[in-house]
Amino acid sequence: GAGVSQTPSNKVTEKGKYVELRCDPISGHTALYWYRQSLGQGPEFLIYFQGTGAADDSGLPNDRFFAVRPEGSVSTLKIQRTERGDSAVYLCASSLGGPRTGELFFGEGSRLTVL
Amino acid sequence: AQSVTQLDSHVSVSEGTPVLLRCNYSSSYSPSLFWYVQHPNKGLQLLLKYTSAATLVKGINGFEAEFKKSETSFHLTKPSAHMSDAAEYFCVVRPTGGGNKLTFGTGTQLKVEL
Repeated sequence: GAGVSQTPSNKVTEKGKYVELRCDPISGHTALYWYRQSLGQGPEFLIYFQGTGAADDSGLPNDRFFAVRPEGSVSTLKIQRTERGDSAVYLCASSLGGPRTGELFFGEGSRLTVL
Repeated sequence: AQSVTQLDSHVSVSEGTPVLLRCNYSSSYSPSLFWYVQHPNKGLQLLLKYTSAATLVKGINGFEAEFKKSETSFHLTKPSAHMSDAAEYFCVVRPTGGGNKLTFGTGTQLKVEL
């Protein structure tokens, strides 16, 4: 597709369940980012990939959160033992170069609701 | 740590009147600053960016912003609002020297009335 694609667009789950959110970046973009946007707040950085490796995962809130990008394209954000406080919109972005150069292109987000 | 403060959570203007969305930044050094717009059910879109070149930056859709170091401000303006400008706007700072973590402000919801 032409833009960053995120699936699912909406996910409702129960506390304690496992969730996967997928991001398909713009073709050819080597850098991929995950952000989280809670209600009434701006997006907050979670993790950044350059190629297949996580170059900076300092924004992940705890070890329940994990992300992979095995082939340097699609990325999956994984959340174990979900809690109500994990409810938010999870945004993915990609860029052609690294963060110093490329404009970030954002997807529409995956809205996660934990009941 | 670098941060941005958006002074208004909501701004309401009439169509055809000027828009002013305020942003102040906190940084020890000259930062890179951005404005992003988020329309309902759409992804965040870059409006404009300041990276230490010209202090007056022009963006898309007639928006512009002026970097004022003495006031630590980066306010977003548009001479004449259009109904399609109604959206949420985020002021964003990137750490000096690059880095991966864009820091977003809390956003300003712009309402445009007839």
